Amino acid sequence: NAGVTQTPKFRVLKTGQSMTLLCAQDMNHEYMYWYRQDPGMGLRLIHYSVGEGTTAKGEVPDGYNVSRLKKQNFLLGLESAAPSQTSVYFCASSRKPGAMEEETQYFGPGTRLLVL
Amino acid sequence: QKEVEQDPGPLSVPEGAIVSLNCTYSNSAFQYFMWYRQYSRKGPELLMYTYSSGNKEDGRFTAQVDKSSKYISLFIRDSQPSDSATYLCAMSAFSGGYNKLIFGAGTRLAVHP
Repeated sequence: NAGVTQTPKFRVLKTGQSMTLLCAQDMNHEYMYWYRQDPGMGLRLIHYSVGEGTTAKGEVPDGYNVSRLKKQNFLLGLESAAPSQTSVYFCASSRKPGAMEEETQYFGPGTRLLVL
Repeated sequence: QKEVEQDPGPLSVPEGAIVSLNCTYSNSAFQYFMWYRQYSRKGPELLMYTYSSGNKEDGRFTAQVDKSSKYISLFIRDSQPSDSATYLCAMSAFSGGYNKLIFGAGTRLAVHP
């Protein structure tokens, strides 16, 4: 049981390049999330998904796209990377909200992205 | 004004000290209150949660919520070097079809032997 995994762990991009970050979870969770973490800003939600085939915008969605074609995978895409997207990206998953135990979000180890 | 305010520290204490970490919030709709621990270059992991005012204890950790003051705290007793990490408070409220989780900026804690 690996929990939440993310690939790649680290990536350097040039401005204007594109890339896709992959998140996978093996806990059969319905909900999945993409966050970015910047110094002094905490974790901010980029996009989330409440089930296979569904996605929705979070707090800071501009410049990112997502897809949830399979329940266990959640992809985050950067079409044209900008230096402002230099950050650490975390994926998380959770069961459907209900009892508190089902709301716990489990985080992956993160992807460090540097955009030059 | 941020919805959740947390002093970033860093906080440096000797082993065995009692540590107090705090967050304030402005949104009275928050229903659940959590503390996550994040070790360097790792993802956050849930440490404690509560949904009512009062104290909740788990081993050396005590979470305290005061909804009237919009203030939450995490106390660590007999702190250990292994407690050195960044502690993030988080709060959630139902919004847009899901329980929206808002994080504080995190407080970096160092416990030295």
